[in-house]
Amino acid sequence: AQSVTQLDSQVPVFEEAPVELRCNYSSSVSVYLFWYVQYPNQGLQLLLKYLSGSTLVKGINGFEAEFNKSQTSFHLRKPSVHISDTAEYFCAVSRGNTGFQKLVFGTGTRLLVSP
Amino acid sequence: DAGITQSPRHKVTETGTPVTLRCHQTENHRYMYWYRQDPGHGLRLIHYSYGVKDTDKGEVSDGYSVSRSKTEDFLLTLESATSSQTSVYFCAISSGLAGQETQYFGPGTRLLVL
Repeated sequence: AQSVTQLDSQVPVFEEAPVELRCNYSSSVSVYLFWYVQYPNQGLQLLLKYLSGSTLVKGINGFEAEFNKSQTSFHLRKPSVHISDTAEYFCAVSRGNTGFQKLVFGTGTRLLVSP
Repeated sequence: DAGITQSPRHKVTETGTPVTLRCHQTENHRYMYWYRQDPGHGLRLIHYSYGVKDTDKGEVSDGYSVSRSKTEDFLLTLESATSSQTSVYFCAISSGLAGQETQYFGPGTRLLVL
């Protein structure tokens, strides 16, 4: 079975500073990896995903993530954050197969960007 | 936008009453999912559907039932609501090429059970 660990429940950062949100997963099979963002009182929006190919994945709003199979990690990064990036970020993993997609989520990391 | 709507968006109910939440999609997706979101737990799968009248349990299905009589509608029912079912409920669909599906989420329903 897959599992996801987001060690940081909250990450405070100043505007225009770089940020990294950590995600580690465990799985005995090949996986797909996702980052979702949730703004206050809204649903989850897909930021980016890794299915195969290049290990560096670029997403929306200037975010990127790198798949590291040896370290079983999929950390999310942004070189310069904005106030509007304040939100909760969820890492998720699913098995690399077709049909029913069982997504397993981490517990989330709240990014707090201050001026 | 994957064309997903949820109703109601907010609901307050009393312990012991039945509650039904509706998820509606407009793009004929085969797979639909119900999750609940609770602090410290992320999102957890309640039930999912892989077609009309085809449903199965997720990891936290106790106390919930689902039905899918039409492709576009996936209903989640709390037969007798309890305070532990106070949560935010999200519906999702899978979309994409076979083997490359991605889940997209609705706006959520905030349920308070008193």
